[in-house]
Amino acid sequence: DSGVTQTPKHLITATGQRVTLRCSPRSGDLSVYWYQQSLDQGLQFLIQYYNGEERAKGNILERFSAQQFPDLHSELNLSSLELGDSALYFCASSVVAGGVTDTQYFGPGTRLTVL
Amino acid sequence: QKEVEQDPGPLSVPEGAIVSLNCTYSNSAFQYFMWYRQYSRKGPELLMYTYSSGNKEDGRFTAQVDKSSKYISLFIRDSQPSDSATYLCAMSVSNFGNEKLTFGTGTRLTIIP
Repeated sequence: DSGVTQTPKHLITATGQRVTLRCSPRSGDLSVYWYQQSLDQGLQFLIQYYNGEERAKGNILERFSAQQFPDLHSELNLSSLELGDSALYFCASSVVAGGVTDTQYFGPGTRLTVL
Repeated sequence: QKEVEQDPGPLSVPEGAIVSLNCTYSNSAFQYFMWYRQYSRKGPELLMYTYSSGNKEDGRFTAQVDKSSKYISLFIRDSQPSDSATYLCAMSVSNFGNEKLTFGTGTRLTIIP
């Protein structure tokens, strides 16, 4: 168990809908990362927050947004959902902003299915 | 063409065998090379990383980088059933800026007892 929690575990919704994925980082970790994992694209970095502020942005669609709250939990909002958004969404956390070689602790993921 | 290519497998080998997992890449600016292990229904975990060329050993695991061929490998010696997982390679130009981290699609490995 990494100490990172994600809810819900599974989400099934329809095209055009909006969903919110939630992540609680490990106790003491200030940085939260969001990733999308699909079979054809692999694991892709979406966005990073550090202590409430956006730190880095990857290939995140405009339909997606995220935020980190004062208690350091984070939410990823996905709107106007399309079939291609079906994927595993992972949250990871680390103590500091760090670099790519620093250890990120991944949560178990949320499996999103868009019908 | 993807920046990082990885054979998806699946790869099945008997317990005790030496496993070789590989990735090729096209961006010659990549300097940091990482291997992640992902068990079924779990998130990835960083196994080891290498900076620039050369080998790095950690227990039964050896990471190798050949920048001239744009090819990286992960060797697992004395493979165990607990090594059964999907292995992801990842690369970056610099150590800062996770937005620049590029992953392979992963190789699914099964060690047969």
